[in-house]
Amino acid sequence: GAVVSQHPSRVICKSGTSVKIECRSLDFQATTMFWYRQFPKQSLMLMATSNEGSKATYEQGVEKDKFLINHASLTLSTLTVTSAHPEDSSFYICSVPVTGGLPDTQYFGPGTRLTVL
Amino acid sequence: AQSVTQLDSQVPVFEEAPVELRCNYSSSVSVYLFWYVQYPNQGLQLLLKYLSGSTLVESINGFEAEFNKSQTSFHLRKPSVHISDTAEYFCAVNYAGNNRKLIWGLGTSLAVNP
Repeated sequence: GAVVSQHPSRVICKSGTSVKIECRSLDFQATTMFWYRQFPKQSLMLMATSNEGSKATYEQGVEKDKFLINHASLTLSTLTVTSAHPEDSSFYICSVPVTGGLPDTQYFGPGTRLTVL
Repeated sequence: AQSVTQLDSQVPVFEEAPVELRCNYSSSVSVYLFWYVQYPNQGLQLLLKYLSGSTLVESINGFEAEFNKSQTSFHLRKPSVHISDTAEYFCAVNYAGNNRKLIWGLGTSLAVNP
C-alpha cells in the first residue's frame, strides 16, 4: 500500500489565488520531508526541506514567501503556493526519507498536478 | 559542482533485447547511488540502490547496476527487457556530507516496443 499520500492529486486555480498541497506519511513518523517540482520531461528539482518543529530549508532560487511550507506534525507537511501564476503550473511531489544514519530510500507521494489559469 | 548526468534522454528498444541506461556523476570521495523508476501515470519508486558493500546491485525485476568508482558511473542494465519496463528512469546521487539531499539526473525514457 501507499506509504506517502498527497492531496489533492490535481488542482486548477485562477491566477492570484493560493493553493495548499498536503503530504502525509502513512506508515511512519517523518521529522523531515522533501518538496520537489517536476516540469514535463525534466528531472525533479528539490525546492525545500520541510522540518518538523522548525523552519523549512529552501534551496537557492526558491522564494520562501511564495512557497510556504508548514510541517504541522510528524505525519503531515503542507506546501502553499501563494498568489499562484501560470508559471507556477507544474507537478509538485513530496517525499519522505527513511530515517537512519545513512542516506537511504525516499518514499515519494503520487504528486499533485497544479494548473494555474 | 555536484551533478548527475544521464547521457541518453530516450532509449527505444525492442522487447527481449538488452538495454543499458547510463549514469555518471561528478567525482566525490563518498557517494550513495540510486535508480528510481516512474511508470506512466504513477509516482516515483525506488528500483535499486548502492550504499556500501558489493558494487553490483540488483532489483527484483531483473535490473542491475554496477558502481564504478574510477569511472564515476552507475549504469543500469537489463539483459532482456519487457514491454512493462517502459518507463522513465532517474539516476540520483547523495554526496557525503549533503545530508539526505539527492542530486537528480534528467531522466531516461525507456520505450520497449514489441
